Amino acid sequence: GAVVSQHPSWVICKSGTSVKIECRSLDFQATTMFWYRQFPKQSLMLMATSNEGSKATYEQGVEKDKFLINHASLTLSTLTVTSAHPEDSSFYICSASGLPTDTQYFGPGTRLTVL
Amino acid sequence: AQSVSQHNHHVILSEAASLELGCNYSYGGTVNLFWYVQYPGQHLQLLLKYFSGDPLVKGIKGFEAEFIKSKFSFNLRKPSVQWSDTAEYFCAVKRAGNNRKLIWGLGTSLAVNP
Repeated sequence: GAVVSQHPSWVICKSGTSVKIECRSLDFQATTMFWYRQFPKQSLMLMATSNEGSKATYEQGVEKDKFLINHASLTLSTLTVTSAHPEDSSFYICSASGLPTDTQYFGPGTRLTVL
Repeated sequence: AQSVSQHNHHVILSEAASLELGCNYSYGGTVNLFWYVQYPGQHLQLLLKYFSGDPLVKGIKGFEAEFIKSKFSFNLRKPSVQWSDTAEYFCAVKRAGNNRKLIWGLGTSLAVNP
């Protein structure tokens, strides 16, 4: 149980385009989903927390207009990187948490490369 | 502000050696504690967690951790490591309460030599 999927697993796009990443909880209802960036050989950096049906809460320094998060259902959240630039190239990871476990389970991540 | 400190950034062991990875946190209230593992090329997986009850918790693959409240610590242990334990280990803490965000340690890279 507690499986989280992400799609796509990797994406290459041109500078200035937008990219959407999906995060799905496959076998549980995720009341909260979290979006992270992970840099090579480093820990996770939380970008935002999203609760189903409400606006995401962004961490300090994360541009909410650039990283659009939607959590429209208990099993799906999306992250859209708008007008992507090479500095947005990174590994994006989502996690999902729900009751009663109150534990974050992680997706496999999406490698974004912006040319 | 909350913070999590992992004492060892890189650990190298031989197979069958014992492992202890330190984790300390700073927060005076009730916390939930986690250890996650990331094997090479794989996603983060939950090793074990502590919410309440017996402070000695057992996780998957023979790992255990002990919560010592007075020391604000949650150290991870395994009596005998295997080559397959080579991975990155992360300690994470959150304030007790539903779906709160995790505060992460910087991780410990463990290499086990066969």
